[in-house]
Amino acid sequence: DGGITQSPKYLFRKEGQNVTLSCEQNLNHDAMYWYRQDPGQGLRLIYYSQIVNDFQKGDIAEGYSVSREKKESFPLTVTSAQKNPTAFYLCASRLTGTGGNEQFFGPGTRLTVL
Amino acid sequence: SQKIEQNSEALNIQEGKTATLTCNYTNYSPAYLQWYRQDPGRGPVFLLLIRENEKEKRKERLKVTFDTTLKQSLFHITASQPADSATYLCARYGGSQGNLIFGKGTKLSVKP
Repeated sequence: DGGITQSPKYLFRKEGQNVTLSCEQNLNHDAMYWYRQDPGQGLRLIYYSQIVNDFQKGDIAEGYSVSREKKESFPLTVTSAQKNPTAFYLCASRLTGTGGNEQFFGPGTRLTVL
Repeated sequence: SQKIEQNSEALNIQEGKTATLTCNYTNYSPAYLQWYRQDPGRGPVFLLLIRENEKEKRKERLKVTFDTTLKQSLFHITASQPADSATYLCARYGGSQGNLIFGKGTKLSVKP
C-alpha cells in the first residue's frame, strides 16, 4: 500500500524539551512539506524540501528544524525555541515534474505542550 | 502579498440540496486552484484542481469553477449527503516550487 505516514498520532511535551515528529512516504515523491494547523488559522507552511539534502524555510520556520537525508523521510524537530508549539502538524508530499500538482497528506500528529 | 480567503467559516444545508462554497484570491491569478476535503483529526484529501484557463471542472457530484474576472472559485456539491459533512479547503499555487497557500476552510454540515 502506497502512502504517507506520520508518527506518533499524539505527542505530549514538557516545556523546554525538543521533540521530533516522523514523516515517511513510499510514493516515490520528491517534494515533502510540513504544515502547522491551528483552529481558525488554516494550514501554514513550516518547511519544505524539493530534493534530498536540500530544504527551505516556509512562512513560520522559527523554532523548528528539519532534515532530508533520505527521499522517503522528512522528520520535523520542534525545539524549545518554539514558544507556542501546541498544534496539529501535517506532513505532505508531492510528485514533481510532469506529475500532478496535488499534495498527499499524512494523518497528522497532535502535539500538546504540558 | 498573495492571499486566499474562504469567507464562510461554516455552511449548513439540507440533504439533497446543492452546497456552494466560495474561495476568493487577491493579486494576480494563480496558475491553478485546488480543493481539499478534511475530516476532523485527519489530513486533507485532494479533490479537484482547476487551471487558470479552465472555466469549469467536474468530478461525480463535485463541480469547481474559476472566474478570473471576479478572482473567485466556486465549489459545488450537488445532491448533498450527510457523508459530505467536512471542512473544505481551497488552495492557490504559491508561485514557488509547487508550494500552496491555503484558505482557512469552510465547515460544511449536511443535515438529514
